[in-house]
Amino acid sequence: EVQLVESGGRLVQPGGSLRLSCAASGFTFRKYAMSWVRQAPGKGLEWVSLIGGSGGSIHHGDSVKGRFAISRDNSKNTLYLQLNGLRAEDTAVYYCTRVGAGTDPPFDYWGQGTLVTVSS
Amino acid sequence: QSVLTQPPSVSGAPGQRVTISCTGSSSNIGAGYAVQWYQQFPGTAPKLLISDNNNRPSGVPDRFSGSKSGTSASLAITGLQAEDEADYYCQSYGDSQSSPFVFGTGTKVIVL
Repeated sequence: EVQLVESGGRLVQPGGSLRLSCAASGFTFRKYAMSWVRQAPGKGLEWVSLIGGSGGSIHHGDSVKGRFAISRDNSKNTLYLQLNGLRAEDTAVYYCTRVGAGTDPPFDYWGQGTLVTVSS
Repeated sequence: QSVLTQPPSVSGAPGQRVTISCTGSSSNIGAGYAVQWYQQFPGTAPKLLISDNNNRPSGVPDRFSGSKSGTSASLAITGLQAEDEADYYCQSYGDSQSSPFVFGTGTKVIVL
């Protein structure tokens, strides 16, 4: 059974930093691209970052480029998201997702999410 | 900053058929990219409902179906049930390298 378990979310002050983790199990982690998707309170879904299976292909959305960094440790089956220069508008539940197979693959599995709150 | 437009809500009585539209542009759905649909209940993570325009993952009831035409896509729920009351999001790809994944604005399905 595929499982994705996020951790690391908490209350942080504006300008602060945080690292989110996502522990994966139930599949061959290194074979799949992974992504972070966030959802602000009461709002819709927003794609944040993507990393290829080997870690060599990385993309970030415009709203987080230069502030957030996605990475992975395939020896530990763990995905990370380093959040720097946090702003109030980064307040959201952050979901770890697996990018499935196919030409235009879906986010086929999602973690339960971890809440990041940016406030003074 | 959702790029795909969905109606805020749709409603129907149990047993009825409802459809949710997802309108994009020539830079995303109209460029030929596949459309996926996700279902989200309050306080829980989204779940993949439809992939590649009209494919249901294992375990998804066949009352859910997807279609795509031109720059738009649709999700249909036939034989609406009380447990279908949830938020639904479409998702596709875009031509922009800075935002390769695009989501819809989301639709709340209300079962009357």
